[in-house]
Amino acid sequence: DTGVSQDPRHKITKRGQNVTFRCDPISEHNRLYWYRQTLGQGPEFLTYFQNEAQLEKSRLLSDRFSAERPKGSFSTLEIQRTEQGDSAMYLCASSSHREQYFGPGTRLTVT
Amino acid sequence: EDKVVQSPLSLVVHEGDTVTLNCSYEVTNFRSLLWYKQEKKAPTFLFMLTSSGIEKKSGRLSSILDKKELFSILNITATQTGDSAIYLCAVEAQWGNKLVFGAGTILRVKS
Repeated sequence: DTGVSQDPRHKITKRGQNVTFRCDPISEHNRLYWYRQTLGQGPEFLTYFQNEAQLEKSRLLSDRFSAERPKGSFSTLEIQRTEQGDSAMYLCASSSHREQYFGPGTRLTVT
Repeated sequence: EDKVVQSPLSLVVHEGDTVTLNCSYEVTNFRSLLWYKQEKKAPTFLFMLTSSGIEKKSGRLSSILDKKELFSILNITATQTGDSAIYLCAVEAQWGNKLVFGAGTILRVKS
């Protein structure tokens, strides 16, 4: 399967802990996006990379959130000092031209 | 602020019915409108529309864009239970940039 992959698929953590998610895009795609989706809402943009450069960050991305894409391949999204409000599905997408293709998501539950 | 509004929020139909889902938008620099289908995991790409009045078709699904009135519709004919999903509309406001999503329309097809 050559689609976008994400790991882990599910994460349960206690409030105050740090978590890190990984996204592996489709191999020839140079753009990578992170979105967050809560129940009953569409995905909300968090940040995106073109190759290794982080080109835009949403104001939703507080200073507890950081994303990296070393070498322009896979990306990681870290959340420090998690809060219950961080509970959501974190989706990664990649594109080479216009259409964005999504991974299966990481569902985060903060207890 | 860019905004995408979908209607109806939810819809229940019987197999064989035809449905029309609506998407209206307000964005500062429109580039394209995309439709996605989301079952229990990642949104899967259906259509990208950039020009008014040109229908895109894939099997029983079709979509059209009206850039003057700022809306799009997604039609599904001869619905099947496998069409049950959330249908998401998104707008690309800059080339290769983030997508702004609507909240989605939940479609349930009863057998």
